[in-house]
Amino acid sequence: NAGVTQTPKFRVLKTGQSMTLLCAQDMNHEYMYWYRQDPGMGLRLIHYSVGEGTTAKGEVPDGYNVSRLKKQNFLLGLESAAPSQTSVYFCASSLLFQETQYFGPGTRLLVL
Amino acid sequence: KNQVEQSPQSLIILEGKNCTLQCNYTVSPFSNLRWYKQDTGRGPVSLTIMTFSENTKSNGRYTATLDADTKQSSLHITASQLSDSASYICVVSVLNQAGTALIFGKGTTLSVSS
Repeated sequence: NAGVTQTPKFRVLKTGQSMTLLCAQDMNHEYMYWYRQDPGMGLRLIHYSVGEGTTAKGEVPDGYNVSRLKKQNFLLGLESAAPSQTSVYFCASSLLFQETQYFGPGTRLLVL
Repeated sequence: KNQVEQSPQSLIILEGKNCTLQCNYTVSPFSNLRWYKQDTGRGPVSLTIMTFSENTKSNGRYTATLDADTKQSSLHITASQLSDSASYICVVSVLNQAGTALIFGKGTTLSVSS
């Protein structure tokens, strides 16, 4: 039981490049979330999903897109990366909506 | 405005000592409050969860208290260990028209030294 895993662990992008962050969970959780964490700020919700094929915007969705084609996977896409998207990205899942969340180890993204 | 404020921002204590971290919130209507521990380079891990009717919850050497009247919570760590060095995040759930939303505090960074 791996819990929540994220790939890649670290990535460097140039401004304007695109990439996809992958989150996978093996707990059969219905709900999944993408957060970003920046120094001096709390975790901020980017997008979330309440089930396979369903996604919704969080607090800071601009510049990101998501997809949940399979229940166990939640993808976060950056179509045209900007330096302001340099951050640590965390994926989480939960059995009930917004209840205790299980976080992945994070992806550190640097946009030059 | 729904806000969660944590204090202190950072704290350094000697191994074996006790410490208390504070969380004040202005969230309404309140649903529940959680404390998470986040080790450096890792994702947050849930420590405790308290609903409106609970005023204390323990998890080993961690004891969380909640005063829903004053909208304050504290996390007390007893006999600290080096492994307690981490960021501690207070998260409050608020009920709104869309359902439930989570308000995250910025965290308190605890350093335990030998």
